[in-house]
Amino acid sequence: AQSVAQPEDQVNVAEGNPLTVKCTYSVSGNPYLFWYVQYPNRGLQFLLKYITGDNLVKGSYGFEAEFNKSQTSFHLKKPSALVSDSALYFCAVRDPILTGGGNKLTFGTGTQLKVEL
Amino acid sequence: KAGVTQTPRYLIKTRGQQVTLSCSPISGHRSVSWYQQTPGQGLQFLFEYFSETQRNKGNFPGRFSGRQFSNSRSEMNVSTLELGDSALYLCASSLGLPGTGRETQYFGPGTRLLVL
Repeated sequence: AQSVAQPEDQVNVAEGNPLTVKCTYSVSGNPYLFWYVQYPNRGLQFLLKYITGDNLVKGSYGFEAEFNKSQTSFHLKKPSALVSDSALYFCAVRDPILTGGGNKLTFGTGTQLKVEL
Repeated sequence: KAGVTQTPRYLIKTRGQQVTLSCSPISGHRSVSWYQQTPGQGLQFLFEYFSETQRNKGNFPGRFSGRQFSNSRSEMNVSTLELGDSALYLCASSLGLPGTGRETQYFGPGTRLLVL
């Protein structure tokens, strides 16, 4: 089975401060990991993914994430938060063996990020 | 390039009715997946289609079905609607390169279904 945990329902941060949104995963093989963001009444927007290679992945809008195999984590980070970053963030995992090479994603429960002035 | 489009955007139905939702993938994308998003259950995978064939299926009752056409457009159908089917239904497309599992899925804006 493949699963994802986002331990924080909400993260509050002041504009200009660094932000971290946490994600841990569980798969039997090597994971493919993704972050998406959802604004109100919108679909999901892709931010970044880890497939293989460098553990630090850079994505859209200044976001990055670090893959840590020993801690089975893939935390999303940004050095300086903006009010416009306020949204719902989802971590997702894909076990390529389990999905038979298909694209099925298993999502976490989401973390609401609130960036205040 | 145009993104994933879904129609209709909003829908109100009553219990027992059936509904069909439509999804047009990004041009050139051959894989389409469907997800259900609810406040209680979060985002859950329904099914994935590639070249008109179902490649993966989630844990939903048989009332939920889908299909894909030769132009990669996809529809999903829910029969005998229940109150619990009220949700945002999201469609996602990807290139569909076979067997890699490495692809990024790009999501449409969703269809919000309300069952009364």
